Amino acid sequence: QSALTQPRSVSGSPGQSVAISCTGTSSDVGGYNYVSWYRQHPGKAPKLMIYDVNKRPSGVPDRFSGSKSGNTASLTISGLQAEDEADYYCCSYAGTYTVFGGGTKLTVL
Amino acid sequence: EVQLVESGGGLVQPGGSLRLSCAASGFTFSSHRMHWVRQGPGKGLVWVSRISGDGSDTGYADSVKGRFTISRDNAKNTLYLQMRSLRAEDTAVYYCTRTGGGFDYWGQGTLVTVSS
Repeated sequence: QSALTQPRSVSGSPGQSVAISCTGTSSDVGGYNYVSWYRQHPGKAPKLMIYDVNKRPSGVPDRFSGSKSGNTASLTISGLQAEDEADYYCCSYAGTYTVFGGGTKLTVL
Repeated sequence: EVQLVESGGGLVQPGGSLRLSCAASGFTFSSHRMHWVRQGPGKGLVWVSRISGDGSDTGYADSVKGRFTISRDNAKNTLYLQMRSLRAEDTAVYYCTRTGGGFDYWGQGTLVTVSS
């Protein structure tokens, strides 16, 4: 049950695009199309941004998109806004358990 | 409106026990798999446990297996987490969350502190 691997931090300027990677194994990310992404602002509960690799819940802007190739999933945020500055976590179903990534801090410069 | 409200957190000594509750409202509770996710101070999210809608199937992270027990009372729309043999490393905010296409709703969390 090892955590998925995410970069510790990424940054971008307002209006730019950034991508956050999430690397697992064939037992989790690569084995199922059940990758989800969460945004968490300090002191707040996480918020679902992407589920089932590339689906956006109602209310999440289309600036957020997800994809997957092999054992690596990615979250892309286009048109960066100040409110996007937060921690982002990927998550994957792995059969008998679920696993999160270590989290990525996104800084909007 | 979907609401998940955790309670039961607090300060407990190492080796002690605690039971967390999560009161659900605004949706058909028995139709959803439910989970507990925790977050240690300054750390990332960690999945803890899950339970099926009817309570017949459960799963646990290796770090809590044999010490924690997840359960639910669908008549009371309440999710539980019984925690025993608590360790310092169990100190965290514990969130309940439901599966509805990802973890689509989260509670506000309840803080568990394990310390002497």
